[in-house]
Amino acid sequence: QVVVTQEPSLTVSPGETVTLTCGSSSGAVTSGRWPYWLQQKPGQAPRTLIYDTSNKHSWTPARFSGSLLGGKAALTLSGAQPEDEADYYCLLFFDGVRVLGGGTKLTVL
Amino acid sequence: EVQLVESGGGLIQPGGSLRLSCAASGFFVGISSISWVRQAPGKGLEWVSVLHSGGGTDYADSVRGRYTISRDTSENTVHLQMNNLRAEDTALYYCVRDWGPGGEERFDYWGQGTLVTVSS
Repeated sequence: QVVVTQEPSLTVSPGETVTLTCGSSSGAVTSGRWPYWLQQKPGQAPRTLIYDTSNKHSWTPARFSGSLLGGKAALTLSGAQPEDEADYYCLLFFDGVRVLGGGTKLTVL
Repeated sequence: EVQLVESGGGLIQPGGSLRLSCAASGFFVGISSISWVRQAPGKGLEWVSVLHSGGGTDYADSVRGRYTISRDTSENTVHLQMNNLRAEDTALYYCVRDWGPGGEERFDYWGQGTLVTVSS
């Protein structure tokens, strides 16, 4: 099965910008993989921030944005807040099968 | 109000079977796709299976041939039948609305999860 790769951990200072990426062992990530980004805080169920590369749900803070960058999916956080400290997961679609990345632990420090 | 409530988890011996349920309210599972996602203790999320709105199914390699996803539209519930369970299936199992006919119904609602522990 395809492997979806993410940075294991990243650190960002409050107010700064950070970009998380999502790659695929099957090749470049395109819009046809419908990249999603999920956020999970300790003890909570995940919640989806971004779907179909760049679409936001009504609860997604404006400081989060999704895009494609250099053959990968990307989640950019502009102006990090302490409450953004969490695990972030990328989800890609391979026909009917969905594959999740290993997650990025984002520290805001 | 859209809500998903999982049930059916518990302690089961290796090789045993368990059936999880995901009861939906506020929308109809018959026209939506529902996925199961699991999380082993201290580990990341792993997608497990999807029941597409049209009735088709897909599975992760790790569970294909052992798990079966189905739905009961009269109960507005999706089930996950898990057979030949292994220690590595121990996890918190979430159901999530994977897709709906509305434009934003994309992995938008998650349940709180039900815990499955496979141990002798």
